[in-house]
Amino acid sequence: DGGITQSPKYLFRKEGQNVTLSCEQNLNHDAMYWYRQDPGQGLRLIYYSQIVNDFQKGDIAEGYSVSREKKESFPLTVTSAQKNPTAFYLCASRQGAIAEAFFGQGTRLTVV
Amino acid sequence: DQQVKQNSPSLSVQEGRISILNCDYTNSMFDYFLWYKKYPAEGPTFLISISSIKDKNEDGRFTVFLNKSAKHLSLHIVPSQPGDSAVYFCAATSRSNDYKLSFGAGTTVTVRA
Repeated sequence: DGGITQSPKYLFRKEGQNVTLSCEQNLNHDAMYWYRQDPGQGLRLIYYSQIVNDFQKGDIAEGYSVSREKKESFPLTVTSAQKNPTAFYLCASRQGAIAEAFFGQGTRLTVV
Repeated sequence: DQQVKQNSPSLSVQEGRISILNCDYTNSMFDYFLWYKKYPAEGPTFLISISSIKDKNEDGRFTVFLNKSAKHLSLHIVPSQPGDSAVYFCAATSRSNDYKLSFGAGTTVTVRA
């Protein structure tokens, strides 16, 4: 059945290492988003993509990078330049003029 | 600058009673408002939404009210059930902003038996 799959669910990274979080959707949605959640805070937008081969920075893009080579895939790389990468990362997708975005189950990234 | 605010971090309600969650926004360009429900270590699930051209939308036990002049919306859950215990996020967006969602900080609802 259709949905958004994020993997892995838990990820541990050593300081100074880059790590890539996977997000795949089979909803045939054009738009995809990456959000970050920290304790006691709402979700904050990292990057988003409205169409294949195009993406835009969100509110907190520093230290992150993305690619959108396929419609169904929108991987997020957390680079060593991200000063505080430990957080819960959420991927979402949306279609057309429908405002509702659908979310994956999230990836918990911990820097050790 | 937080454009969507949920000023109550937590709410405790007895089973069967009404839960009222509040949300305020500052950006008058927002034209669509959504509520999401989230359990720990899971992604948010869409609950209910309202367009800025309406002042009320109802779906089963959930009703959202929008007061545009006050830039305020609320979510009513009645009757509250134990499974409603979760974090609820208010979000706002606009077509002119690529439908990017701006979220409040969330309200943790606990339904007591």
